[in-house]
Amino acid sequence: KAGVTQTPRYLIKTRGQQVTLSCSPISGHRSVSWYQQTPGQGLQFLFEYFSETQRNKGNFPGRFSGRQFSNSRSEMNVSTLELGDSALYLCASSPRTGLVHEQFFGPGTRLTVL
Amino acid sequence: SQQGEEDPQALSIQEGENATMNCSYKTSINNLQWYRQNSGRGLVHLILIRSNEREKHSGRLRVTLDTSKKSSSLLITASRAADTASYFCATDSQAGTALIFGKGTTLSVSS
Repeated sequence: KAGVTQTPRYLIKTRGQQVTLSCSPISGHRSVSWYQQTPGQGLQFLFEYFSETQRNKGNFPGRFSGRQFSNSRSEMNVSTLELGDSALYLCASSPRTGLVHEQFFGPGTRLTVL
Repeated sequence: SQQGEEDPQALSIQEGENATMNCSYKTSINNLQWYRQNSGRGLVHLILIRSNEREKHSGRLRVTLDTSKKSSSLLITASRAADTASYFCATDSQAGTALIFGKGTTLSVSS
């Protein structure tokens, strides 16, 4: 099976712009989660989608949003970018419902905000 | 917020030596997982241990879990240069649908 794919891999934006990141989960996986990784804050959970519904959301401002399509592909959007949004954004998929099980991560999208 | 905290933050060893990393967490969990990350890339799942398990093995990896102390350890035996990476423990959140990661241990294995 193909792994989790994320596009684009690298992105440079300027403050105030918005950005959309895409994630394609492993075939058959219906749960998709997003994480932000920065040197200062480490890995932080953004949100999780299952069957097109947001199941859980981390402690991030409303500028961060996401959605999931019927084919389980997911996108996350960040509006009005700030310098502090520069990070590696990781998407992970999981085959299970209910309690958390192992997650399969994509290579990430490295976002730089200038 | 961080649930797991790894110790040490950095570890340097020679090939063939064993590496031990520890993780402490704050609240009750259903399971604890360990992941590896090579140089700013995606995370790779290593092992999952459930709250009712005390020890688990996978190849050169051995994980222990002490729920009374809210701590876990990851032992990598006979380390190789390819084991050079950052290692993270992750626990489930109270909502159960998200992983909460520690800040990780950076392991450097030199030949």
